[in-house]
Amino acid sequence: GESVGLHLPTLSVQEGDNSIINCAYSNSASDYFIWYKQESGKGPQFIIDIRSNMDKRQGQRVTVLLNKTVKHLSLQIAATQPGDSAVYFCAENPFGSQGNLIFGKGTKLSVKP
Amino acid sequence: NAGVMQNPRHLVRRRGQEARLRCSPMKGHSHVYWYRQLPEEGLKFMVYLQKENIIDESGMPKERFSAEFPKEGPSILRIQQVVRGDSAAYFCASSLDWAPSEQFFGPGTRLTVL
Repeated sequence: GESVGLHLPTLSVQEGDNSIINCAYSNSASDYFIWYKQESGKGPQFIIDIRSNMDKRQGQRVTVLLNKTVKHLSLQIAATQPGDSAVYFCAENPFGSQGNLIFGKGTKLSVKP
Repeated sequence: NAGVMQNPRHLVRRRGQEARLRCSPMKGHSHVYWYRQLPEEGLKFMVYLQKENIIDESGMPKERFSAEFPKEGPSILRIQQVVRGDSAAYFCASSLDWAPSEQFFGPGTRLTVL
């Protein structure tokens, strides 16, 4: 079946360090992969996305890597700040779907000052 | 430009009552998506609507749940005869076109069923 899951449920890093959040997916027919950040009591906020024909994409302080061979997705956050503390979700949009997203369970990132 | 708005933010219902959740998409957006999130879980897709049309309701329970997005007014997610298992956060997202990476989420409605 289709599923998106995360390796680590929690991640604690020191302020200023780099963070790496991982995600494994099982549906090789997905078109888009997206990372969302969700702060407590709020809705998910788009961070960055990547199409299946790419293996790397960079944004401001964030990089997403896609390894289709092992069906692995990662989000790298450079110089992690306290404001980055949140739950991070990867999501995929299977090719041919009507726009719905399949979310993983999430990784909680905690940044220590 | 206001973002996606949802109301109420918190809703408490007793078992057997009805819950109505409203979602006003971003201005100009005609695509609306509803998701449900249980505690410590990711979001689960429920339904995708365009104005006056249900495009994909594959994630919606067959009974007690319905959704609409009328020509005028907000999108409504309606849960009849609520049960404790319906307690969750319900998020609405909207997009300008069909674009999975362009879904903007609202703050959610937290439903508690007593």
